Amino acid sequence: GAVVSQHPSWVICKSGTSVKIECRSLDFQATTMFWYRQFPKQSLMLMATSNEGSKATYEQGVEKDKFLINHASLTLSTLTVTSAHPEDSSFYICSARTQGPYEQYFGPGTRLTVT
Amino acid sequence: AQSVTQLDSQVPVFEEAPVELRCNYSSSVSVYLFWYVQYPNQGLQLLLKYLSGSTLVESINGFEAEFNKSQTSFHLRKPSVHISDTAEYFCAVSDHAGNQFYFGTGTSLTVIP
Repeated sequence: GAVVSQHPSWVICKSGTSVKIECRSLDFQATTMFWYRQFPKQSLMLMATSNEGSKATYEQGVEKDKFLINHASLTLSTLTVTSAHPEDSSFYICSARTQGPYEQYFGPGTRLTVT
Repeated sequence: AQSVTQLDSQVPVFEEAPVELRCNYSSSVSVYLFWYVQYPNQGLQLLLKYLSGSTLVESINGFEAEFNKSQTSFHLRKPSVHISDTAEYFCAVSDHAGNQFYFGTGTSLTVIP
């Protein structure tokens, strides 16, 4: 149980275009989902926290107009990178949690490459 | 707020030797502690966690970690490592509300044949 999927697992896009990444909790309802960014050989950096039906809370320094997060249902959250640039290339990981266990279940990650 | 320090960025160890990956945290409130493992180009997998109770927690693949409140540590140990243990290991801490996880910078464990 407690499986989180991400789609796509790998995406290449041209500079200036937008790309959407989906995060789904497959066998549980996620009241809260988190989006992280990970640079090579570095730790995870929390970008934003989203609760179902509410606006996402962004960490300091994260541009909310560039990284659009939607959490429309208890099993799906999306991250849209708008007007992507090469510096947005990174590994994006989502996680989901339910009430109670205080544990985050992580997706497999999405590698974004902007050319 | 909480923070996590993993002092060792890289730990090479020979196969079947013991290993300890260090994790220290700072917090003004009671915390939950976690160790996650990440294999190349994959997401994080929970290795073990301390929420309450016994301060020694174990995983199914032979790892264990001990919560030491006085030393604010949660070191990860394994008495005999395998090649397949080669991966990146992250220590994380959260408050009891679980609203946010703080991750350490990770320790790259390389098991040498």
